[in-house]
Amino acid sequence: DVKVTQSSRYLVKRTGEKVFLECVQDMDHENMFWYRQDPGLGLRLIYFSYDVKMKEKGDIPEGYSVSREKKERFSLILESASTNQTSMYLCASSLAREAFFGQGTRLTVV
Amino acid sequence: GQNIDQPTEMTATEGAIVQINCTYQTSGFNGLFWYQQHAGEAPTFLSYNVLDGLEEKGRFSSFLSRSKGYSYLLLKELQMKDSASYLCAVVEGDKLIFGTGTRLQVFP
Repeated sequence: DVKVTQSSRYLVKRTGEKVFLECVQDMDHENMFWYRQDPGLGLRLIYFSYDVKMKEKGDIPEGYSVSREKKERFSLILESASTNQTSMYLCASSLAREAFFGQGTRLTVV
Repeated sequence: GQNIDQPTEMTATEGAIVQINCTYQTSGFNGLFWYQQHAGEAPTFLSYNVLDGLEEKGRFSSFLSRSKGYSYLLLKELQMKDSASYLCAVVEGDKLIFGTGTRLQVFP
């Protein structure tokens, strides 16, 4: 079974804090993605990575950065969390015909 | 750029058949996924199409026409547990881009 694991299911952070969301996959997938999902807006792509140390901006990269030091791990970083970053964050990994999601992290910024 | 359209909401009756359409405009098309997402949960993989035609998997089938930029997900013998959101996602190059999803409600 493919496993995409996100480090936290629920997270509450204060405005201005630096926040790390971690995602690990165990299927040797090349591509990894970070999305946020908000009601009425669907899944919006923040960043993706197609190889170690490679990253590409998605549709809404502002306020976020990413790190892919190892193939299995893709981290999303909120340098200074703001209330408008309260959302469900979903990590996915893919290779060819497969694409699987982690369980999601519901982040609340207060 | 990319544009992916799905109906926002649909309703159907238990035991019936429902078709959820997805139209897209992208450059560098590399395939199309369908996902199911129950409220509060992560999306789960249903199907993948990269060539024209129909892919059947039990009660679910997915169709693709690349020339028309069109796909549909067909759900047969609907069950109450099929009430969920259904997400169409297009692979554009290495990117996986989602539509806003279709919320399906199945009534007894």
